[in-house]
Amino acid sequence: AQKITQTQPGMFVQEKEAVTLDCTYDTSDPSYGLFWYKQPSSGEMIFLIYQGSYDQQNATEGRYSLNFQKARKSANLVISASQLGDSAMYFCAMREYQGGSEKLVFGKGMKLTVNP
Amino acid sequence: DTAVSQTPKYLVTQMGNDKSIKCEQNLGHDTMYWYKQDSKKFLKIMFSYNNKELIINETVPNRFSPKSPDKAHLNLHINSLELGDSAVYFCASSQDAGGHDTQYFGPGTRLTVL
Repeated sequence: AQKITQTQPGMFVQEKEAVTLDCTYDTSDPSYGLFWYKQPSSGEMIFLIYQGSYDQQNATEGRYSLNFQKARKSANLVISASQLGDSAMYFCAMREYQGGSEKLVFGKGMKLTVNP
Repeated sequence: DTAVSQTPKYLVTQMGNDKSIKCEQNLGHDTMYWYKQDSKKFLKIMFSYNNKELIINETVPNRFSPKSPDKAHLNLHINSLELGDSAVYFCASSQDAGGHDTQYFGPGTRLTVL
């Protein structure tokens, strides 16, 4: 079963508008972490934002904020005031612990296109 | 200064060859990882090392052999390359194996097997 679900394969948004990228997750572990990464066409994976399962506040990093709804198991990324440079693939990931180490389990990603 | 670096960035080779990808991090992190991104952009972990010790081996064929000469380096050697090995391989690192630390990724190595 998928542990991270990103149902939107692609989205289009106008420059300067806000956009929400959906992510739902599945875990029975009470302690977990959720991440969003951006992958522009150049290919690198850029860390955007992190939310811990015990964090009381929703995470924010500049124009990025995470709408964390624990009961619904959702961790949506909100990008305010979209810029052309925000056009990229976006991946939601969850940290899992295995054998004393951790690994990231990724969703399938979604492609955001910002139009001028 | 590049935090996590990989060489080469592109690698094109024939089926059956043996090749290596190198990874270095200058963040002082204890844990390093290899991830594979397939043609559909799906990312999956392959290995993790903590202080030169293999921690995670995610059912990867034994043609793939990671080697960690020190905690700043994690190289990936692939024997008898197959067409299905074509992918982008990402190295990553984090401070602690079981902590709450972000994984930082290298730029990726695009491997094409002909």
